[in-house]
Amino acid sequence: QSVLTQPPSVSGALGQRVTISCTGSSSDIGAGYDVHWYQQLPGTAPKLLIFGNRYRPSGVPDRFSGSKSGTSASLAITGLQAEDEADYYCQSYDASLSAPRVFGGGTKLTVL
Amino acid sequence: EVQLVESGGGLVQPGRSLRLSCTASGFTFGDYPMSWVRQAPGKGLEWVGFITTKAHGGTTDYAASVKGRFSISRDDSKSIAYLQMNSLKTEDTAVYYCTRDGDYYDSSGNSINPDPFDIWGQGTMVTVSS
Repeated sequence: QSVLTQPPSVSGALGQRVTISCTGSSSDIGAGYDVHWYQQLPGTAPKLLIFGNRYRPSGVPDRFSGSKSGTSASLAITGLQAEDEADYYCQSYDASLSAPRVFGGGTKLTVL
Repeated sequence: EVQLVESGGGLVQPGRSLRLSCTASGFTFGDYPMSWVRQAPGKGLEWVGFITTKAHGGTTDYAASVKGRFSISRDDSKSIAYLQMNSLKTEDTAVYYCTRDGDYYDSSGNSINPDPFDIWGQGTMVTVSS
């Protein structure tokens, strides 16, 4: 059971917009810790997609955006492309845990 | 090119030990904390542990699932981080990724917290089975 809750799967048609939620609690996201998002393409290592809730590393298209409010965060992808089909993970921090660097369970994005 | 390359994975019997290495290139290794993250087959990501820089004491922290069995060390002269895994269990079977903990600030100059894992290695598979 992951500390951060993500939907197991989402889907969207080419060109559409999808969002992936990441729900935490008052001891992690709600405590003010930042949220990061990672994209894992099939058979590859994860890659940093969004850091600090809303910042994109160099090279990440602006079709990807992040936001945070209260105890939750969201990843939005606009203009869906076939190559966006991947697993997406949110990550934050929970100081109350013995393993404070926490991940969401991951969301499989299917592009229709 | 900034790069992390893991090595040392393989098949090992339960109760035995294995040491993974993570060789860094393209950046000043000693300036960054390093973490290990694992992914069991068909499962999500799990943080294993990390080591701070020598300037911050080279301190370590571990997930409860591996504390007392795994240890992380670093050799800054060789740009290598190590994950020593002892008393291995079948549930330790996973791909193990080495990551760099990046140092970032927001638009107001505040440090991003926690550090994101901004560089990942390709991973090395560890299979614990008799």
